[in-house]
Amino acid sequence: ETGVTQTPRHLVMGMTNKKSLKCEQHLGHNAMYWYKQSAKKPLELMFVYNFKEQTENNSVPSRFSPECPNSSHLFLHLHTLQPEDSALYLCASSQGLTDSGNTIYFGEGSWLTVV
Amino acid sequence: AQKITQTQPGMFVQEKEAVTLDCTYDTSDQSYGLFWYKQPSSGEMIFLIYQGSYDEQNATEGRYSLNFQKARKSANLVISASQLGDSAMYFCAMREGLVNFNKFYFGSGTKLNVKP
Repeated sequence: ETGVTQTPRHLVMGMTNKKSLKCEQHLGHNAMYWYKQSAKKPLELMFVYNFKEQTENNSVPSRFSPECPNSSHLFLHLHTLQPEDSALYLCASSQGLTDSGNTIYFGEGSWLTVV
Repeated sequence: AQKITQTQPGMFVQEKEAVTLDCTYDTSDQSYGLFWYKQPSSGEMIFLIYQGSYDEQNATEGRYSLNFQKARKSANLVISASQLGDSAMYFCAMREGLVNFNKFYFGSGTKLNVKP
């Protein structure tokens, strides 16, 4: 059982809908991440939060809006998406941004289809 | 230039045999970390093994070992005694610097199929 839980696992939404992806980590980590995985493309880092503060926004369109209310929870709010936004969205966490030996632990991902 | 290159889009291996998945990386940092992840069809990315740039010994974790050749900038994953459950996508990744997961790069992956 993964220490990072994502819901929903599958989501189909229309281009005018508003939906949210939720991520919760049970590992006591301080940093959380959103990644996008599209077909035939490497994973793309979208957002990084460290101690609830956003430290990275990797030129992500504003139709994706992250929210990190505390170190254990991370949301990705979705609004007026495009079909090309269909992808697997992976949440991840790590102990922090300052430990050389640690790694990132991923959730099972949320499969998003925009129709 | 790509930070992580995985040149094998797909690989087949017979059950119980060993297989090597290739990974080369590109960085000018002296301090970096190399990772391998496994992604089954369910989507979860599972951490397998880590190698630090200053580690002199090759990392090993059970049936996984990382063949680290620093001068060649390669970090190949070796899976010994393949099992059917090893069939999955495998991603090589690199963190540049010692302290920052903001600079964390993934390769395009290798799809491994283990044949019975």
